[in-house]
This record gives sequence, structure tokens and C-alpha cells, in this order.
Amino acid sequence: ETGVTQSPTHLIKTRGQQVTLRCSSQSGHNTVSWYQQALGQGPQFIFQYYREEENGRGNFPPRFSGLQFPNYSSELNVNALELDDSALYLCASSLGTSGRFDEQYFGPGTRLTVT
Amino acid sequence: DQQVKQNSPSLSVQEGRISILNCDYTNSMFDYFLWYKKYPAEGPTFLISISSIKDKNEDGRFTVFLNKSAKHLSLHIVPSQPGDSAVYFCAARSSYGGATNKLIFGTGTLLAVQP
Repeated sequence: ETGVTQSPTHLIKTRGQQVTLRCSSQSGHNTVSWYQQALGQGPQFIFQYYREEENGRGNFPPRFSGLQFPNYSSELNVNALELDDSALYLCASSLGTSGRFDEQYFGPGTRLTVT
Repeated sequence: DQQVKQNSPSLSVQEGRISILNCDYTNSMFDYFLWYKKYPAEGPTFLISISSIKDKNEDGRFTVFLNKSAKHLSLHIVPSQPGDSAVYFCAARSSYGGATNKLIFGTGTLLAVQP
């Protein structure tokens, strides 16, 4: 059973650029959530995808968008990068039992630095 | 608006003694609480959880206590081991509306267990 993997591990971008982060869910999981963890803070929920549809969103602007693919891998896209977007981005996958909370398995994260 | 608060950024404990990590929350709609442990360069890993209908849940050396009237929960680790040294996050979830797996995290407590 493979765990949750994320790529790249580290990334440096310039303000105004766009970035795509990738996540490969744990085998058999059809739900993925993305979190942003700023330095010294806890993870903050960005959004969740269930069977390729976004089904919940946190307090993040529309320039944060996502995709989930038929194989349940996913992407987080951030447009018009700002300095405050510098953070660790975590994805978490779960079984996705409808209407019920499932244990989430987190990947190691992608460290994004915006200069 | 920090709905989940961990007021102690760090805690140092001697090996073999009890570690007590505290967490307070403000949203009375939270009905499920979790503790995650995070090592550097790894994603958070699930440790233990408790439903709001219970006041205690135990798993080996780890026990979580919930005081709903005080909106407070705590994680007890007995006995503490050097391998327990990590950042511990308290997280909460509400069943009412929104994404099923949306978690609200605290800012974390860095536990150092001294040999």
C-alpha cells in the first residue's frame, strides 16, 4: 500500500507567477483535501475534492484552484502568486465515505517560497 | 478568528513522565476532535480522536479528554518517550455543512521529551 506522495518537494517562484503542485492519493482513496501551513501556524483548509468534484472550500480566493483526476491524483494551482502564499502545502487523502468523516492521510508537503 | 487554540507553543518533559498537551475551541458546532503528530519534513500523522458524545478515549500510552462545557480537550502521553518529540496539532471538525473532511487546526505545540 503506497502512501500519499507530493511533488515537488521544494519550489521557488516569483511574485505574479503561477504554480502547480501535485498529489498522488493513497491507493483506494477517492477524496483529497488541500491545506496551507504558513510558518508557525497550523494547516488551513483550502478545499476538498470528491470523485473529481470540488465539494467544500475554505477561506481562500479564487486564484487557488484544483483538479482531481480519474485516478484520484490531484493538483493545486495558484495564480498570481503573492509573497504571503509562501507556505507548506499539504494534501491529504481519505476513503471518502459519503457524509462521514474519514481518517485523512497526509503527504509530506511541498514547500513553496515566493520571492 | 482562531477557532482552535493551542496556547502553549512548546513543552519540555522528562522521559518516563506524563506529557499533557492542551487545546481550547470556540465553535460549539464542533463534534469531532483529533490529535495529529508531525515530525520535520513529514506530513501530520493521525494519533487519536474523540467524538463529542464521549469525554475520554484511550489508545495505549495516549489518552484524550474532552470537557465540552469548558470547550477544552487535552492529550495525555504516559509514559513519555524521546520518540514522542514532535509538533502536536489539535484539530476539530463539524458535521454541519461544508466539506465532510474539513479540519480546523490549532497552531501546534512542540513537545520535547528529554532522555
